Amino acid sequence: SVLLYQKPNRDICQSGTSLKIQCVADSQVVSMFWYQQFQEQSLMLMATANEGSEATYESGFTKDKFPISRPNLTFSTLTVNNARPGDSSIYFCSSRDGGSDYTFGSGTRLLVI
Amino acid sequence: GDSVTQTEGQVTVSESKSLIINCTYSATSIAYPNLFWYVRYPGEGLQLLLKVITAGQKGSSRGFEATYNKETTSFHLQKASVQESDSAVYYCALSDMGYKLTFGTGTSLLVDP
Repeated sequence: SVLLYQKPNRDICQSGTSLKIQCVADSQVVSMFWYQQFQEQSLMLMATANEGSEATYESGFTKDKFPISRPNLTFSTLTVNNARPGDSSIYFCSSRDGGSDYTFGSGTRLLVI
Repeated sequence: GDSVTQTEGQVTVSESKSLIINCTYSATSIAYPNLFWYVRYPGEGLQLLLKVITAGQKGSSRGFEATYNKETTSFHLQKASVQESDSAVYYCALSDMGYKLTFGTGTSLLVDP
């Protein structure tokens, strides 16, 4: 199955700044997904990113706040714009192979101060 | 919308004792969703533990098992004898067979040696 590598593992940033989270797959995947998890809560799907097209965002998440790029079949970046303390959470990238199995990266723990 | 409920946020079990982690689901988008258990070991990403895509079937992996019960809409995770290495966070999830995974809030398992 596909392996996903995320970086950074964790980050601390000042309110009002932007940061990027990268996700790299060890083989080509059609769809990549980004999830957000607040402490002791469930993972929430933020958006789906397919190569060469605009990401599709779930309710409560916007392109302006969380722009996502998907320049090729092995790479995606999530940007958190104008970060606020309420954005402090863990962000996971995920992919799905041709079947029903999903793979997850190890997550990026973000703290906004 | 779809939802997954895990009632226990944290469970502590002595090594070699039995374990059950409860999971119930509600699927409005599809009659028979795919059901999953994911596990997150400390410092690692989510890993698929087991999945069942057919109602009435049982999935098993690493000594864990879960049965897809459509009557009670449950997918409880069980293990007859836990080991210290099983300490992790366990997430129940469902898929509408599109692209979206819906997660429970997770159950943190601590196995006392």
